[in-house]
Amino acid sequence: EAGVAQSPRYKIIEKRQSVAFWCNPISGHATLYWYQQILGQGPKLLIQFQNNGVVDDSQLPKDRFSAERLKGVDSTLKIQPAKLEDSAVYLCASRRQGVYEQYFGPGTRLTVT
Amino acid sequence: AQSVSQHNHHVILSEAASLELGCNYSYGGTVNLFWYVQYPGQHLQLLLKYFSGDPLVKGIKGFEAEFIKSKFSFNLRKPSVQWSDTAEYFCAVNGLSGTASKLTFGTGTRLQVTL
Repeated sequence: EAGVAQSPRYKIIEKRQSVAFWCNPISGHATLYWYQQILGQGPKLLIQFQNNGVVDDSQLPKDRFSAERLKGVDSTLKIQPAKLEDSAVYLCASRRQGVYEQYFGPGTRLTVT
Repeated sequence: AQSVSQHNHHVILSEAASLELGCNYSYGGTVNLFWYVQYPGQHLQLLLKYFSGDPLVKGIKGFEAEFIKSKFSFNLRKPSVQWSDTAEYFCAVNGLSGTASKLTFGTGTRLQVTL
């Protein structure tokens, strides 16, 4: 089966600009996650979707970050406006309902200058 | 709240040496435990997992981990490392609460295997 797809793979923007990332989970995976991985740290959960509903967004900086999964499949994560500290790899993961293993995409490396 | 500590940040070993990476977690209830690996330029991959039963679990590529509940530990081991094991290793815990499934990762251990 195809893995989790993410695009773009790399993005460089200036601070105060906006950026969007896209994720297509594995087919049939109802749960989708967005993580932020800052250099030298482990991934940190930003938001979790179950189908098209948000399950947990307690660590999402809602003043600048937003995410949606309108049709319960693809998802987008947006940052507006970006700050220097947002430089990180943004990972998308998905899992099948009733199974705890998460499968990760290749990530989008964001550099904010 | 759940948390994970990985005490070794950077480990350098020669090929054929034995490996043990430490992982301790904090959570008051039932947990699922995972080790993920990230090879250079590749995405995170599941190495092994513990859900229940035998506390010694075996994963891919000769890795194993032992869940010691009394020590809140889930250390990763391999008897003889290879150069191709050079990667970053992440321990993760999923504290089970209702139907929620939320992974918390450690900061990772960078393993460098020299020839």
